[in-house]
Amino acid sequence: NAGVTQTPKFQVLKTGQSMTLQCAQDMNHNSMYWYRQDPGMGLRLIYYSASEGTTDKGEVPNGYNVSRLNKREFSLRLESAAPSQTSVYFCASSVGPGNGYTFGSGTRLTVV
Amino acid sequence: AQSVTQLDSQVPVFEEAPVELRCNYSSSVSVYLFWYVQYPNQGLQLLLKYLSGSTLVKGINGFEAEFNKSQTSFHLRKPSVHISDTAEYFCAVGTGRRALTFGSGTRLQVQP
Repeated sequence: NAGVTQTPKFQVLKTGQSMTLQCAQDMNHNSMYWYRQDPGMGLRLIYYSASEGTTDKGEVPNGYNVSRLNKREFSLRLESAAPSQTSVYFCASSVGPGNGYTFGSGTRLTVV
Repeated sequence: AQSVTQLDSQVPVFEEAPVELRCNYSSSVSVYLFWYVQYPNQGLQLLLKYLSGSTLVKGINGFEAEFNKSQTSFHLRKPSVHISDTAEYFCAVGTGRRALTFGSGTRLQVQP
């Protein structure tokens, strides 16, 4: 049972390049989330998907787009990367509100 | 709106000493609360959660937390810490169907 799988684990981008971070869960969870983690700022919500077919903006959505491809997969896209998007990105999933999240191991992204 | 404040960014403590990591939240409605632990270069793992009922919640690895509604707090405690408890700890709050809001984290440094 893999839980939440994120790919890639590491990535270096040049300013202006685009990329997609992939996330997949095998726990039949309804809700999925993308957070970014920056030193001293904890985790900040970028986007989330409460259920298949729905997505909503979080606290810091600018510069990102998401796709809930099916119940298992929730991808995060950076259309034109900026140095301010250098961060560690975590995907998480949950059965629903009030339940704990299961986190992936993260993607460390550096934009130069 | 919901928010959470972790009052200490770093807590140094000697092995076998007790520790308390502080968390205060802000919300105008009923909340559910979580503590997560993050070991270096890993994702977050759930330590414990409060949804309702008993205000004293026990979690994994000997940790416990107490929900105090009047003081809007959810402090994490352990009576005797080990070197292996060295990690970053995050408090999180949720309300209704909203995604969790995380605090900025507390780095617990256990010294021999």
